[in-house]
Amino acid sequence: SQTIHQWPATLVQPVGSPLSLECTVEGTSNPNLYWYRQAAGRGLQLLFYSIGIDQISSEVPQNLSASRPQDRQFILSSKKLLLSDSGFYLCAWGTGSHGYTFGSGTRLTVV
Amino acid sequence: AQKITQTQPGMFVQEKEAVTLDCTYDTSDPSYGLFWYKQPSSGEMIFLIYQGSYDQQNATEGRYSLNFQKARKSANLVISASQLGDSAMYFCAMRVNTGGFKTIFGAGTRLFVKA
Repeated sequence: SQTIHQWPATLVQPVGSPLSLECTVEGTSNPNLYWYRQAAGRGLQLLFYSIGIDQISSEVPQNLSASRPQDRQFILSSKKLLLSDSGFYLCAWGTGSHGYTFGSGTRLTVV
Repeated sequence: AQKITQTQPGMFVQEKEAVTLDCTYDTSDPSYGLFWYKQPSSGEMIFLIYQGSYDQQNATEGRYSLNFQKARKSANLVISASQLGDSAMYFCAMRVNTGGFKTIFGAGTRLFVKA
């Protein structure tokens, strides 16, 4: 069966520090992968999606970047975090009518 | 432009009663998919139900059903026989077929089930 792993679960980082969040998928090949951010009490905002290795599309111009060095690995990064980068980050994979499978999320607080 | 609108920030329902969560959408794409997700306080996102734009029948999954009215561009979620464990945030979402099958989400409705 397909599983998705996301880590870390929580992170507290100072302003200006770098960020790296990792997501890996098991049990499927060539998945579509997505990074979303959820502000407190709000809906999900699509940040990046990827349909294949090194194929990344950005939805919102911002302080973040994404990479997909391997088929089942999706990384969200920042060189210098801003206070506004705080939020709940969710990785997901999915195709067609089966809905997304989400990771357990990373709660990022920038201080 | 594609958009999902959920106009109910919060809803209350008595245990064992049915509740309808509203969702309207906007897209010019003739082929699209509509989804509902549940997010408990733990933060995980749980896929509940899917409706394709060409599906003739309303989707049902156990106690969940999706009331799809294509002409009105609405996709309301009906939860029958509410349980205390149904208390959570509920998100309506739409998959668009323009590149990557990305999905956009509404702002969500917080459902409170009263004992």
